Amino acid sequence: AQTVTQSQPEMSVQEAETVTLSCTYDTSENNYYLFWYKQPPSRQMILVIRQEAYKQQNATENRFSVNFQKAAKSFSLKISDSQLGDTAMYFCAFMKTYSGGGADGLTFGKGTHLIIQP
Amino acid sequence: NAGVTQTPKFQVLKTGQSMTLQCAQDMNHNSMYWYRQDPGMGLRLIYYSASEGTTDKGEVPDGYNVSRLKKQNFLLGLESAAPSQTSVYFCASSYLTGGNQPQHFGDGTRLSIL
Repeated sequence: AQTVTQSQPEMSVQEAETVTLSCTYDTSENNYYLFWYKQPPSRQMILVIRQEAYKQQNATENRFSVNFQKAAKSFSLKISDSQLGDTAMYFCAFMKTYSGGGADGLTFGKGTHLIIQP
Repeated sequence: NAGVTQTPKFQVLKTGQSMTLQCAQDMNHNSMYWYRQDPGMGLRLIYYSASEGTTDKGEVPDGYNVSRLKKQNFLLGLESAAPSQTSVYFCASSYLTGGNQPQHFGDGTRLSIL
């Protein structure tokens, strides 16, 4: 079974600063995806960014980027120019995939509560 | 677009009662999922359905059953509710299973078992 660990229960930064959220995972699988989801107080689960394990290039989505270190099993999220609307719970998640297609569901970490201060 | 719709949004049950949580998606997605979220925890997979008529157990299936008779609907049943099942339940769907197919989540159902 896979495990996902987020070691920072809560982080607080000033608006416009850059913040990095940590995530490590444990797996013996070679084929998988990693994700960051955002959950604001509205409780919605919003996909922020995803990374396929076999791709060495780090994924980026506007102000969001990841640092994927496969050997270290680390998948951190960097938010640049943070905004008040970035305040939310952030969850790192793992998905095992199969070479013939298909995948298991998501395995989530416990989350990091990110607070952006004005 | 409605996306993924969960009903009800809130429910209070007594121990031992049964109920069904409903999930509907209008995106013609093949795969659907049920997760639960407890305080201080991420979401945990209960059951999923890769396609209409098929279901598989996830990480925490005990005490639950599911039904996927129609492509657009995925039902989660609690036969005899227990206080340990107090949680927020999320349904999700994706076009296919796989990491390149993002999961779209509903807004959740908050369930309290007294």
